[in-house]
Amino acid sequence: GNSVTQMEGPVTLSEEAFLTINCTYTATGYPSLFWYVQYPGEGLQLLLKATKADDKGSNKGFEATYRKETTSFHLEKGSVQVSDSAVYFCALLGRGADGLTFGKGTHLIIQP
Amino acid sequence: EPEVTQTPSHQVTQMGQEVILRCVPISNHLYFYWYRQILGQKVEFLVSFYNNEISEKSEIFDDQFSVERPDGSNFTLKIRSTKLEDSAMYFCASSVSETQYFGPGTRLLVL
Repeated sequence: GNSVTQMEGPVTLSEEAFLTINCTYTATGYPSLFWYVQYPGEGLQLLLKATKADDKGSNKGFEATYRKETTSFHLEKGSVQVSDSAVYFCALLGRGADGLTFGKGTHLIIQP
Repeated sequence: EPEVTQTPSHQVTQMGQEVILRCVPISNHLYFYWYRQILGQKVEFLVSFYNNEISEKSEIFDDQFSVERPDGSNFTLKIRSTKLEDSAMYFCASSVSETQYFGPGTRLLVL
């Protein structure tokens, strides 16, 4: 079946540091890939997505590239801010499926 | 910006009781979903709903659960005879294509 593995946190960084959150997946066919973010006390918000190999999703300074050869979709940001502190979820939508498959989430803490 | 809303935000119930969790999807969306997240675990897909019927369900979604779209705006998840292990955050989502938009969740605590 489909599965998503992402690095577990918490990940603690200083403001303006470079961020990478690793995400790898297992799926049959070619899924669509997503990053969702959950700020404290709120629901899941779509951060970015990519629907085919080599696509790059980007939003709010975050980027992730769909790498079919390594089955990865790592999230990066060049300079994080305190306001980026949240839980980040990698997810996939398999071809022909309705339900998203999520990773466990990575808690990111940015210190001033 | 339109958003998915859910009520209540928190619900406490006694084991064996029935609960109904409510969601108002984004108005022009056609696909509706329920997910749950047990504390410390992954967000898990429960069920999808399209054209007034269940489109797909996971193995978690057994006879204890049911979904309904009672009118043109609400989408509900009913849990009959709740168990302690039903305690979780329940998220509703909706979509018009493959991108799903989530509500803020209902935290259910079964005592």
